[in-house]
Amino acid sequence: EPEVTQTPSHQVTQMGQEVILRCVPISNHLYFYWYRQILGQKVEFLVSFYNNEISEKSEIFDDQFSVERPDGSNFTLKIRSTKLEDSAMYFCASSADHNTEAFFGQGTRLTVV
Amino acid sequence: TQLLEQSPQFLSIQEGENLTVYCNSSSVFSSLQWYRQEPGEGPVLLVTVVTGGEVKKLKRLTFQFGDARKDSSLHITAAQPGDTGLYLCAGASNNNDMRFGAGTRLTVKP
Repeated sequence: EPEVTQTPSHQVTQMGQEVILRCVPISNHLYFYWYRQILGQKVEFLVSFYNNEISEKSEIFDDQFSVERPDGSNFTLKIRSTKLEDSAMYFCASSADHNTEAFFGQGTRLTVV
Repeated sequence: TQLLEQSPQFLSIQEGENLTVYCNSSSVFSSLQWYRQEPGEGPVLLVTVVTGGEVKKLKRLTFQFGDARKDSSLHITAAQPGDTGLYLCAGASNNNDMRFGAGTRLTVKP
């Protein structure tokens, strides 16, 4: 069964360093999403991406964040200068159509120290 | 941005009991999804509802979308310990991509 895969599963980084979280969405999906979940808190929307551009972003997704689809399979989230409060689980999701049947990866646990 | 309120926040029941959890909002959704999340893992899609009044069944789980497409419920019949987990609803509208509620954490005791 097709699935969304994310790498790495865990990432520990020093405050101020750049990190890139990688995702391979389901192959025939056209809509891609990043969400984050701080430990014990709710799943929060970061950004959606369609047709090689951002279609919506939340207030969390400031200029320290960027997304890219560098090739036909990968979808990445970059945090330029990490802060302690960026520590969270980051989930990638994809869907075939807008806002329906979104499937999630297993997440990347980011720890900023 | 739509806000989804889930209730109850926590629910602990005995095996064999029935339960209903709720997802409410003042916003109208074009679609609403229910997910289940285990600790340290990503949300797993259970169902998507798109039509007001729609009822979908998944084994012992029954999902209902409100007529006005502002709310939804999840009913579990004869709960089992394997049903234990965090149940999340997530709604999308024409103006906003999918947003999550805070979830209902269900514990089913054997």
